[in-house]
Amino acid sequence: DQQVKQNSPSLSVQEGRISILNCDYTNSMFDYFLWYKKYPAEGPTFLISISSIKDKNEDGRFTVFLNKSAKHLSLHIVPSQPGDSAVYFCAASFAGGTSYGKLTFGQGTILTVHP
Amino acid sequence: SQTIHQWPATLVQPVGSPLSLECTVEGTSNPNLYWYRQAAGRGLQLLFYSVGIGQISSEVPQNLSASRPQDRQFILSSKKLLLSDSGFYLCAWNNPGWGFYGYTFGSGTRLTVV
Repeated sequence: DQQVKQNSPSLSVQEGRISILNCDYTNSMFDYFLWYKKYPAEGPTFLISISSIKDKNEDGRFTVFLNKSAKHLSLHIVPSQPGDSAVYFCAASFAGGTSYGKLTFGQGTILTVHP
Repeated sequence: SQTIHQWPATLVQPVGSPLSLECTVEGTSNPNLYWYRQAAGRGLQLLFYSVGIGQISSEVPQNLSASRPQDRQFILSSKKLLLSDSGFYLCAWNNPGWGFYGYTFGSGTRLTVV
């Protein structure tokens, strides 16, 4: 059962334009969401996160939007740069309860930004 | 500062051979430790997690096992590799009580079973 889904395996964008990466989840217990960026042969690195009490979080060129009723979140990158080319993973977790921060990841979306 | 080390970076092993991947964390104590796998065309799948020495929880049944012989050491093993064990294996850690904050991944091991 894929609780976090990224239905677009890849996305190609021109430099300077907006990149929009989408993520859907099915488990309504999730209340914290993160985006990770991964380059080939490297581990994922944290990019941006959002709590379920918010609907938007912004950090420089990166903005994450959360639509709880639709169980959908998206990552906007504006303007896109060639260095943004990587695999982007959406992840979800429970904010409270257990003592470990177990993350459930989506399949990832390969973003390619063309100069 | 905290660092996480994972080795080897790449590994090619024949079917039926054993496996041992090691992960160590420096600069912290009593971390939560995780093993993830990314198979071709798939997302990151949590395999094992550990909240303390000797405490291992398995997320999915598989041909692999994990051990935590020391506080900051996490080992992924197999007695006999299968072709389906090929993938990119990632170790991660975070600090208990921080939840998902500070969730840090190692650089990964590319395992190819031939």
